[in-house]
Amino acid sequence: QQQVKQSPQSLIVQKGGISIINCAYENTAFDYFPWYQQFPGKGPALLIAIRPDVSEKKEGRFTISFNKSAKQFSLHIMDSQPGDSATYFCAASGTGGGNKLTFGTGTQLKVEL
Amino acid sequence: DAGITQSPRHKVTETGTPVTLRCHQTENHRYMYWYRQDPGHGLRLIHYSYGVKDTDKGEVSDGYSVSRSKTEDFLLTLESATSSQTSVYFCAIRLARSSYNEQFFGPGTRLTVL
Repeated sequence: QQQVKQSPQSLIVQKGGISIINCAYENTAFDYFPWYQQFPGKGPALLIAIRPDVSEKKEGRFTISFNKSAKQFSLHIMDSQPGDSATYFCAASGTGGGNKLTFGTGTQLKVEL
Repeated sequence: DAGITQSPRHKVTETGTPVTLRCHQTENHRYMYWYRQDPGHGLRLIHYSYGVKDTDKGEVSDGYSVSRSKTEDFLLTLESATSSQTSVYFCAIRLARSSYNEQFFGPGTRLTVL
């Protein structure tokens, strides 16, 4: 049972462009939505996260947009750079029960020159 | 990296053999997690621990057991490895000082079961 659906599976963007990755969730008890960035051979690294009490969070070139009514959230990477080429995972968790994270299936981003 | 190390980093084993993976942390975090990562599946939780000797199952716990006898060590055991357990295994900790569920991951162990 996949509770967090992520799209697209892969994405190619030109340098300087905007990369957009989307996630949808089903469990209305989720109250924490992080994004992770993973480079080959490395562990996932926490990139940015949002709580549902805000609709947007921005950190540098990375922005999360959150739509509680639609149960969707997205990651926007502005001015995408070749160094952003990585796999990105969205995730969600609720309180209690060990605060388990449920991950999306990942998006492989390639930023071309 | 939240002071997380995993050992071994790579292992090749044969079907039916027992395998133990170790996660070690140096910052006294209460919550520790084991995930497996497979193409097309993202990361899936195997087991987690919320304290010494306190563990619980995740969504893909069949065929795995865990133990935590010390705060700093969380062990994942495959009692009898199968080819379906070929995967990359990641340990994570939850940052205790944060009110959010911020989890930080170790470098991973690549396990191949022949």
